[in-house]
Amino acid sequence: EAQVTQNPRYLITVTGKKLTVTCSQNMNHEYMSWYRQDPGLGLRQIYYSMNVEVTDKGDVPEGYKVSRKEKRNFPLILESPSPNQTSLYFCASSLSLVLAGEIGELFFGEGSRLTVL
Amino acid sequence: AQKITQTQPGMFVQEKEAVTLDCTYDTSDPSYGLFWYKQPSSGEMIFLIYQGSYDQQNATEGRYSLNFQKARKSANLVISASQLGDSAMYFCAMTLTNTGFQKLVFGTGTRLLVSP
Repeated sequence: EAQVTQNPRYLITVTGKKLTVTCSQNMNHEYMSWYRQDPGLGLRQIYYSMNVEVTDKGDVPEGYKVSRKEKRNFPLILESPSPNQTSLYFCASSLSLVLAGEIGELFFGEGSRLTVL
Repeated sequence: AQKITQTQPGMFVQEKEAVTLDCTYDTSDPSYGLFWYKQPSSGEMIFLIYQGSYDQQNATEGRYSLNFQKARKSANLVISASQLGDSAMYFCAMTLTNTGFQKLVFGTGTRLLVSP
């Protein structure tokens, strides 16, 4: 089954304690991205990656790091989490958002709800 | 900067009626794509429909259609014959071809409630 898997799905942590949210896709997609969803703000892009070792900042990258050492994995790292990073996080992947006129559907993971105390 | 605006925080509709969810966008780029996603209470994001800026016809997918008015920069989602299962949050999103479609910008969403 084609899917994007995020872990953990739920996490409560404390300020300053480093954490990693993993994301893995089994569709051999080049494009992967992280979003955060906050009430009244919709989804905002944190980082994205066009392929292995190619990453770039989205609209709200502060406080986050990513890496893309393998095509299937795109972990999101919070080196020193703060309460303003309490949010619902989504990982997404696609062959490309649009490829040769065809729709490159963006497949989302189920989300990771993070609370930073 | 690119921006998506959804002005309806919430919408109510009776079962079997049609409903239109508004979306306007702002970009100076002539080449872009517009998406609608559904987010039920369980939280997952479900792709509904896509419209390319050069597409001549409005996109349709089953009960979903996209009313694309390029001059007005609007991309409203029309759901025909609403069902109880359509109750969810709906997001409009845009991506730009000159970025290689690398960035997807979302609106703030509209919560739809379908009543029996």
